[in-house]
Amino acid sequence: GQNIDQPTEMTATEGAIVQINCTYQTSGFNGLFWYQQHAGEAPTFLSYNVLDGLEEKGRFSSFLSRSKGYSYLLLKELQMKDSASYLCAVRDANNNDMRFGAGTRLTVKP
Amino acid sequence: KAGVTQTPRYLIKTRGQQVTLSCSPISGHRSVSWYQQTPGQGLQFLFEYFSETQRNKGNFPGRFSGRQFSNSRSEMNVSTLELGDSALYLCASSLLASPNSNEQFFGPGTRLTVL
Repeated sequence: GQNIDQPTEMTATEGAIVQINCTYQTSGFNGLFWYQQHAGEAPTFLSYNVLDGLEEKGRFSSFLSRSKGYSYLLLKELQMKDSASYLCAVRDANNNDMRFGAGTRLTVKP
Repeated sequence: KAGVTQTPRYLIKTRGQQVTLSCSPISGHRSVSWYQQTPGQGLQFLFEYFSETQRNKGNFPGRFSGRQFSNSRSEMNVSTLELGDSALYLCASSLLASPNSNEQFFGPGTRLTVL
């Protein structure tokens, strides 16, 4: 099975940097995804990592260490609109199921 | 290009009834996945369809079923509804079937309430 753990809530200040961690356990790994979900809206895709290292996309970066079962999402130059839930998801190599963490609710304050 | 559409957006049913939800993927996308989202369990994978075939299935009872049509539109059906089936049901489309597709586009969801 898979356990995916991420902090429940985080708070940060506008303009700052925040790192949201995700740890996972899986019998077969085939990619890690980050999604953003604003309250009352559908999730939107942010990033995908399958190899170790850092993937950068504008203000957002995602890091993966497969040996440690660890990923983080880095948000730079925080804006008020970044207040949302951030979901970490792992695809299982054995059956291609997508398993999601419970999400981290980020609040950006002025 | 139009996004993923889901109908209906809101639905109220009573226990024991059945319900059918519909999803139209982005034009050209052939893979459709369904998820259930609840405050307690978060986002959980139901199943994935590609070219009218179910490719993967999550850990849900047989009351949850789905199908995909030749135009890639998909439906999911829940029979003998239970109170615990109240949730937001999300559909996501992607160009290719997993594991070949890395990005999924979610629809707005259908909010199902079971009374």
